[in-house]
Amino acid sequence: DAGVIQSPRHEVTEMGQEVTLRCKPISGHDYLFWYRQTMMRGLELLIYFNNNVPIDDSGMPEDRFSAKMPNASFSTLKIQPSEPRDSAVYFCASSKTGGRGGNTIYFGEGSWLTVV
Amino acid sequence: RKEVEQDPGPFNVPEGATVAFNCTYSNSASQSFFWYRQDCRKEPKLLMSVYSSGNEDGRFTAQLNRASQYISLLIRDSKLSDSATYLCVVNRMDSSYKLIFGSGTRLLVRP
Repeated sequence: DAGVIQSPRHEVTEMGQEVTLRCKPISGHDYLFWYRQTMMRGLELLIYFNNNVPIDDSGMPEDRFSAKMPNASFSTLKIQPSEPRDSAVYFCASSKTGGRGGNTIYFGEGSWLTVV
Repeated sequence: RKEVEQDPGPFNVPEGATVAFNCTYSNSASQSFFWYRQDCRKEPKLLMSVYSSGNEDGRFTAQLNRASQYISLLIRDSKLSDSATYLCVVNRMDSSYKLIFGSGTRLLVRP
């Protein structure tokens, strides 16, 4: 079975440019999560969706960040304009039950973003 | 104060050693608990769930103490392949089903 698929795997961009990260969750999963991981702050939840609807975006750092889920098999995380402090690994994850009751969330391999 | 706190380590142990990690959480509304493993430059993966009665999976034993709000992971007969970062994870069962990750404890198992 295919896991969570993210693209691009690596991106280097210049400050001020728009960055779009993409995610395809596992088929049949109704929860989708976007996490960001840095050495300083660890793994932070940015936003999550249930049945394509954003449920909690309190972790989104600022208005430069936006996320969409137009259908059950696709989500994007956009940063515009990007800044060097946005450099991090961005993980997309999906789950069938939102991670409760002992069920697992499955992570993609991550998108490694460097903003110079 | 972070909602989930872990000793960052690293714990540097010889093969065959027994090693234990602890994790504390601050939100008493947390109801589900997990240990995830993350290898260098890889994504986190579920190691095991943590149940109130404690549970074991081979060389790994997880314990939960709700009164003191801490979770532990014990690894017996450690292998070189156990070298990784171990993330403590709690799930708050309030209006939003968030998984909150600790910053992780790094384990290095040496020959």
